Amino acid sequence: AQSVTQLGSHVSVSEGALVLLRCNYSSSVPPYLFWYVQYPNQGLQLLLKYTTGATLVKGINGFEAEFKKSETSFHLTKPSAHMSDAAEYFCAVTPGAAGNKLTFGGGTRVLVKP
Amino acid sequence: EPEVTQTPSHQVTQMGQEVILRCVPISNHLYFYWYRQILGQKVEFLVSFYNNEISEKSEIFDDQFSVERPDGSNFTLKIRSTKLEDSAMYFCASSEGRLAGPKVGDEQFFGPGTRLTVL
Repeated sequence: AQSVTQLGSHVSVSEGALVLLRCNYSSSVPPYLFWYVQYPNQGLQLLLKYTTGATLVKGINGFEAEFKKSETSFHLTKPSAHMSDAAEYFCAVTPGAAGNKLTFGGGTRVLVKP
Repeated sequence: EPEVTQTPSHQVTQMGQEVILRCVPISNHLYFYWYRQILGQKVEFLVSFYNNEISEKSEIFDDQFSVERPDGSNFTLKIRSTKLEDSAMYFCASSEGRLAGPKVGDEQFFGPGTRLTVL
């Protein structure tokens, strides 16, 4: 079985400040990891994913995440927050070769202050 | 840019009634999914569908749920006898896949969701 934990259901950052969203996972098989973003009244949009290879993954809109197997983490960062980054962010895992079912974390809502 | 669409955006129904939620996946995609999110809870997997049959389903997806691809473009989720606890946002998703099977790590493209309210 797989599970995902996102620390902090709400995060508030100032415009221009670092955005750090934490994600820890549990998986009995090598995981594939994803970050999705949801803007109001829209579906979930993929920010980035880790499957194999380089553990630092770059995504859209200046976001990146690092897979750390020893810490079972996949934290999402952006060096400088923009007002348009206000949204809800979801970390998710699939069991790799065993299937494509996404298991989601609880989500983190990001508020960006001017 | 191709996108997944869902109708209706909101559905209100009485307990015990049947509802059908509709989705139009991206046209060249082969894998289809339904997820739901009860207010304040996590997004949960319901079912995946490939080659006109269910490939995986969760414990939530019991006999009151069914999925169908009635034509070449639509993908539907039917709830036969709705319960209060079925109230949730339902998301459809699709992924490209291959004719030989799923592409591991494929991106799933999500629709905007249908908010179902059961009274």
